[in-house]
Amino acid sequence: KAGVTQTPRYLIKTRGQQVTLSCSPISGHRSVSWYQQTPGQGLQFLFEYFSETQRNKGNFPGRFSGRQFSNSRSEMNVSTLELGDSALYLCASSVDRGTEAFFGQGTRLTVV
Amino acid sequence: DQQVKQNSPSLSVQEGRISILNCDYTNSMFDYFLWYKKYPAEGPTFLISISSIKDKNEDGRFTVFLNKSAKHLSLHIVPSQPGDSAVYFCAASGDSNYQLIWGAGTKLIIKP
Repeated sequence: KAGVTQTPRYLIKTRGQQVTLSCSPISGHRSVSWYQQTPGQGLQFLFEYFSETQRNKGNFPGRFSGRQFSNSRSEMNVSTLELGDSALYLCASSVDRGTEAFFGQGTRLTVV
Repeated sequence: DQQVKQNSPSLSVQEGRISILNCDYTNSMFDYFLWYKKYPAEGPTFLISISSIKDKNEDGRFTVFLNKSAKHLSLHIVPSQPGDSAVYFCAASGDSNYQLIWGAGTKLIIKP
């Protein structure tokens, strides 16, 4: 079956702009989590959605938001981009939280 | 406060030898542990997991050991191969949030 698909793969934005990233989970997976990875850092948890509801949120400012649609596809949005937002953004889907998560290839966001 | 710690940012091992990657955790509620492997510009891929009811789990060249009293787990790769060069993340779940909590990763370099 198809894996987790993230679009776009690469993105360059300027400071102050906003960006929307998309994630299509594995069919049948209802939990979608988003992570930020910066050089030298582990995976920083952003938020997790399950059945269109945000169940958990990490320690990120309100500029980072997300949503999940009825088909489990998820989007995350970052408004008023800052240079420090440059990172690899990873989406992971799983049957439910705490179980094995399958990751997409990520979206590499560069803010200039 | 980091609940999952990988204290070695990097590890260099000769091809054919054993690679041992370590992970410590602080939350005694964790009862499920996973190891992921990540190549540059790709999402992490699941390697192996272990439940707290076991102290060892093997899958081919990969073995994970869990020492609950020490709150420590390790991943052994035998024999190490060049393709094993990657960043390895350990993750844990089982507290009330049932979120996967990630370590910062260890970069494994296999020398020919």
